Amino acid sequence: AQKVTQAQTEISVVEKEDVTLDCVYETRDTTYYLFWYKQPPSGELVFLIRRNSFDEQNEISGRYSWNFQKSTSSFNFTITASQVVDSAVYFCALSEAGYSTLTFGKGTMLLVSP
Amino acid sequence: EAGVTQFPSHSVIEKGQTVTLRCDPISGHDNLYWYRRVMGKEIKFLLHFVKESKQDESGMPNNRFLAERTGGTYSTLKVQPAELEDSGVYFCASSPGPYIPTLTGELFFGEGSRLTVL
Repeated sequence: AQKVTQAQTEISVVEKEDVTLDCVYETRDTTYYLFWYKQPPSGELVFLIRRNSFDEQNEISGRYSWNFQKSTSSFNFTITASQVVDSAVYFCALSEAGYSTLTFGKGTMLLVSP
Repeated sequence: EAGVTQFPSHSVIEKGQTVTLRCDPISGHDNLYWYRRVMGKEIKFLLHFVKESKQDESGMPNNRFLAERTGGTYSTLKVQPAELEDSGVYFCASSPGPYIPTLTGELFFGEGSRLTVL
């Protein structure tokens, strides 16, 4: 069975600080997909990224970057120069090949203060 | 284009009452999912519709929960009778393809319906 662990329940930083959100996953499949979603105060879950298990290249999108390491079963998310608008709950999720459902972690609440 | 819309945004009911949550997916999306997050816990899958058919309902907690999707458009999730442990946020999501990873790679989520059972 698959599992996603986000050990950090809540993180508080001051604007412009860099912050890394941790995600560790468990799966028996060799083909799987990892996701990050953002839940702002408005409530909806906003898709940020999808990564498949065969692509270990790190990805950067503006101030966001993701570090995928199969050796440690981790898919960490870093926000560089954080901003108040980054305040949200961030969820890491896993989907195994052939299944269309997501297994989520418990989420990490990020609070960025001015 | 309208996103996934859910109604009501918040519902407060007494234990034993009935509540019906509604989800309108993005137009043209055949796949509709219900997820639930109980406070402080993971977001958990409830069920998956492909058009009007239930593709996977393995996540439905018990027979107090009934989901329908009339004509393959909007969906309703009824909880009857509601219990305290049903409190949480119910998310609906839709996607245009059957398998997330091989097609769009993402689900489009609504803002959720918060259910509080007293």
